Amino acid sequence: QSVLTQPPSASGTPGQRVTISCSGSSSNIGSNYVYWYQQLPGTAPKLLIYTNNQRPSGVPDRFSGSKSGTSASLAISGLRSEDEADYYCAAWDDSLSVVFGGGTKLTVL
Amino acid sequence: VQLLESGGGLVQPGGSLRLSCAASGFTFSSSAMSWVRQAPGKGLEWVSAISGSGGTTFYPDSVKGRFTISRDNSKNTLYLQMNSLRAEDTAVYYCAKGSIAVASFDPWGQGTLVTVSS
Repeated sequence: QSVLTQPPSASGTPGQRVTISCSGSSSNIGSNYVYWYQQLPGTAPKLLIYTNNQRPSGVPDRFSGSKSGTSASLAISGLRSEDEADYYCAAWDDSLSVVFGGGTKLTVL
Repeated sequence: VQLLESGGGLVQPGGSLRLSCAASGFTFSSSAMSWVRQAPGKGLEWVSAISGSGGTTFYPDSVKGRFTISRDNSKNTLYLQMNSLRAEDTAVYYCAKGSIAVASFDPWGQGTLVTVSS
């Protein structure tokens, strides 16, 4: 049971916009930054969004992050086949630990 | 920036293993470092973090007292000493740059597989 709650799966067709939610509590998302990671099949995770809504260099602007209260969301617009991957949210928790969501498997139909 | 893990393998329950992570391409001694693991077919789990100087470390309850993170800044190398290993410690272990009081990991190494089994 992960501390942050994500839907186990999401899907969309090419060109669509999909969102992935991440729910936490006042001790993690509610008081700290949220980060998102993309893990393509068979590879190591990659930082996708940092400090709630910032994209590292090289990440397309099709990816966006937001946070409100104790929840966060990752949105992917103009869905492409290469976006098919597992997505994880993460945040620091005031109990002095890093907590991850259980991950969302995105399927491009 | 490159991170290269080594030291994984098969170990019996109750045994020990030391993982290493060789870093290059950035100022290692100024960077917090972390270990994150992923059990087969499962999600990500943070395992430990260490400050740039090595003076501050953090662990989740699941590994506290069994795992020790350390670093040798003269060798640009991060370590994870794992003792009293259990079957549930079986996972790919990734080292990553970052994370003291934030959940920022960038970049990640390619990972090394640890299998705990008799």
